[in-house]
Amino acid sequence: KAGVTQTPRYLIKTRGQQVTLSCSPISGHRSVSWYQQTPGQGLQFLFEYFSETQRNKGNFPGRFSGRQFSNSRSEMNVSTLELGDSALYLCASSLAPGSGNTIYFGEGSWLTVV
Amino acid sequence: SQKIEQNSEALNIQEGKTATLTCNYTNYSPAYLQWYRQDPGRGPVFLLLIRENEKEKRKERLKVTFDTTLKQSLFHITASQPADSATYLCALRDTGTASKLTFGTGTRLQVTL
Repeated sequence: KAGVTQTPRYLIKTRGQQVTLSCSPISGHRSVSWYQQTPGQGLQFLFEYFSETQRNKGNFPGRFSGRQFSNSRSEMNVSTLELGDSALYLCASSLAPGSGNTIYFGEGSWLTVV
Repeated sequence: SQKIEQNSEALNIQEGKTATLTCNYTNYSPAYLQWYRQDPGRGPVFLLLIRENEKEKRKERLKVTFDTTLKQSLFHITASQPADSATYLCALRDTGTASKLTFGTGTRLQVTL
């Protein structure tokens, strides 16, 4: 079956703009989480959604937001982009939160802020 | 403060040898710990999960140990091959934090002929 699909794969934005990234989880998976990966900080948890509800949120400013739709697809939005937001944004899906369910990552969206 | 530490220096080993990667954590009470492989420009791929009450897990050439007293997990790749060259990440879920995974910064493994 198809894996986690993230779009777009690459994008370049200007400081101050906003960006929306999309994630389609594996069919049947209802939990979606988002991570930011940078060379300096590694993989950092942004937030997790299950059944259209945000269950957990990492330590990121309010400029970072997300949502999940009834079909489990998820989007994340970053407003008022800063240079430091340049990163690989990874989406991961699992059947349900916790309990050691395996999470599967997408290939990520590379965001460059100039 | 809470920390997950992996050796930031690359690990270079010869083909056929056993690679051993270390993950140490501080101020966590992990419900379980996972290991992932990440190739350049790709998302991490799940390899193994070990729970707090397990000492060792194996899968083909991979072995993970978990010592909650030492607060350490070791990841072994036996009979390593050049195709095993990648960055390996450990991640843990702290008890009481739902399903949030916290990742180490990863160790890059380079297997040479």
